[in-house]
Amino acid sequence: QKEVEQNSGPLSVPEGAIASLNCTYSDRVSQSFFWYRQYSGKSPELIMSIYSNGDKEDGRFTAQLNKASQYVSLLIRDSQPSDSATYLCAVGGGPYNFNKFYFGSGTKLNVKP
Amino acid sequence: EAQVTQNPRYLITVTGKKLTVTCSQNMNHEYMSWYRQDPGLGLRQIYYSMNVEVTDKGDVPEGYKVSRKEKRNFPLILESPSPNQTSLYFCASSLGSGSYNEQFFGPGTRLTVL
Repeated sequence: QKEVEQNSGPLSVPEGAIASLNCTYSDRVSQSFFWYRQYSGKSPELIMSIYSNGDKEDGRFTAQLNKASQYVSLLIRDSQPSDSATYLCAVGGGPYNFNKFYFGSGTKLNVKP
Repeated sequence: EAQVTQNPRYLITVTGKKLTVTCSQNMNHEYMSWYRQDPGLGLRQIYYSMNVEVTDKGDVPEGYKVSRKEKRNFPLILESPSPNQTSLYFCASSLGSGSYNEQFFGPGTRLTVL
């Protein structure tokens, strides 16, 4: 069983729409959650981190965490063509794997003009 | 400019020929890590280091070695590369150890083992 699961996509949304990206994880004692954006041929870059249940907003991005359901999501409002990329969900290890990180395989997002 | 650098960026080699991929960061970060990225499998952690002379295995350490003799450098060594180590490799660093720390990634090294 994979530690972190994401739908590979592609997820296609029109420009200006809300893109919703989802991620589930298997270790219920995980404590830290990250969203990275990766353009084709480039390295991952951090968009958001979230550690507590609820929502965290940063500009057009909102991360949502539900530890009971082991679910984390990323909403992108007013999607732009420049948001077209692969989005990686990452989960930090729990108390017994505190220095480890687990990544999903990513969801490819296409924002159509 | 704060950055993580990797060299080489591209490498084609043959089975069994030892190679080293270098990683260096100029941010005085304690934590450094190596990942490999394969289609459909995402990023998988190979090794990580919490500080100088402190390293530990990630999820896929077989066939790899690392060392951390200086805080800024964390080389990845393939003693006897095999074709299944063909992959895209990323080095990453973060200010501190522990899973609450955000990682900064290097540009990647694309390795092909023939």
